[in-house]
Amino acid sequence: AQSVTQPDIHITVSEGASLELRCNYSYGATPYLFWYVQSPGQGLQLLLKYFSGDTLVQGIKGFEAEFKRSQSSFNLRKPSVHWSDAAEYFCAVVPPDNNDMRFGAGTRLTVKP
Amino acid sequence: GAVVSQHPSWVICKSGTSVKIECRSLDFQATTMFWYRQFPKQSLMLMATSNEGSKATYEQGVEKDKFLINHASLTLSTLTVTSAHPEDSSFYICSAAYGPSTDTQYFGPGTRLTVL
Repeated sequence: AQSVTQPDIHITVSEGASLELRCNYSYGATPYLFWYVQSPGQGLQLLLKYFSGDTLVQGIKGFEAEFKRSQSSFNLRKPSVHWSDAAEYFCAVVPPDNNDMRFGAGTRLTVKP
Repeated sequence: GAVVSQHPSWVICKSGTSVKIECRSLDFQATTMFWYRQFPKQSLMLMATSNEGSKATYEQGVEKDKFLINHASLTLSTLTVTSAHPEDSSFYICSAAYGPSTDTQYFGPGTRLTVL
């Protein structure tokens, strides 16, 4: 079945530590891939997206993501986390054969002082 | 650019009443708008997709007579929750896309609906 999976429901990291949030997808062809961030009670802000080309994508706020076709993954990374990064992060896909965006369950990031 | 607004940002209503939520693309013409629903601590679930001037396409399990969507112009879509009940309480988020491809969507800030 087609799906997008975020295996980690909740992650806690210390401020200044590195971060990696996992995202895996299951589609016949490579979908378009997105990472969004949602602060409490707010809408979604696009961090970055991958359509094709260079598999390492740079986004806003110091985030990057790497597309790995062999692993069907699109993990989000940040080398040094700031307290303001605490939020909910959603991986999303748009399959190549339709325009419906599907979201992963989300990963809640807590940042310790 | 590509700013999407929603109004109201929050609303409280009595059970049995109807509530209208507006979604506007402020600086671009949105050929397609999407409506999502998000329960507390859960992900977004697509409710329906609407194209300007045509009927909305609803996802399976979404009652089209309960969630009325109108996309009358290229900058405005409305979602009306008719005869609202407490179980309709949720966070409703719209998004908009422009051009022939809708793979990049711009999201509104969301509307918190509480039905008493």
